Amino acid sequence: QKEVEQDPGPLSVPEGAIVSLNCTYSNSAFQYFMWYRQYSRKGPELLMYTYSSGNKEDGRFTAQVDKSSKYISLFIRDSQPSDSATYLCAMSAGYQKVTFGIGTKLQVIP
Amino acid sequence: NAGVTQTPKFQVLKTGQSMTLQCAQDMNHNSMYWYRQDPGMGLRLIYYSASEGTTDKGEVPNGYNVSRLNKREFSLRLESAAPSQTSVYFCASSGLAGYTDTQYFGPGTRLTVL
Repeated sequence: QKEVEQDPGPLSVPEGAIVSLNCTYSNSAFQYFMWYRQYSRKGPELLMYTYSSGNKEDGRFTAQVDKSSKYISLFIRDSQPSDSATYLCAMSAGYQKVTFGIGTKLQVIP
Repeated sequence: NAGVTQTPKFQVLKTGQSMTLQCAQDMNHNSMYWYRQDPGMGLRLIYYSASEGTTDKGEVPNGYNVSRLNKREFSLRLESAAPSQTSVYFCASSGLAGYTDTQYFGPGTRLTVL
């Protein structure tokens, strides 16, 4: 079993939809949780960062962490075609080593 | 402020050839990383350097060597390239050791080994 599981998709939604992206993990030591966005043929860029459990909101993006269920989510409200990208979850127990999910490819259709 | 830069952007090698991928960051970060990204495998850590003067193996270090030249630069060397090393290589850096592991990535190097 991988430490971090993420459905690779692809996920296709119409413009304006609410998108839910998820990851599960098995390492209970993880306490730093991140979401990266990667456009085609580009490097990943940090989108959201949360520490421990709870929610964090930034504009149209909301990150949720449920440590009791070992489950994290990224919600995108009012999705736009420019949100079409691959979204990678990432998590760490500290000490600089980060474990990434394989990424979910999202397509927002105009 | 360029962030993380990588050279070259593209490279084609023949089996057995060697090459060095260069990475530099201008964010005064302590830690730097080399990853490879393959379809269905995600990002896999090859080597990392927690601080200037130190390097450690990651998940897939075989066939690679690294040098942390100074605080800004971290290079990845393939001594004898193999087709299995065809991949996209990303360099990353992070700043506050032990507190946050948010990493900032370069644009990548697309390597094909024939």
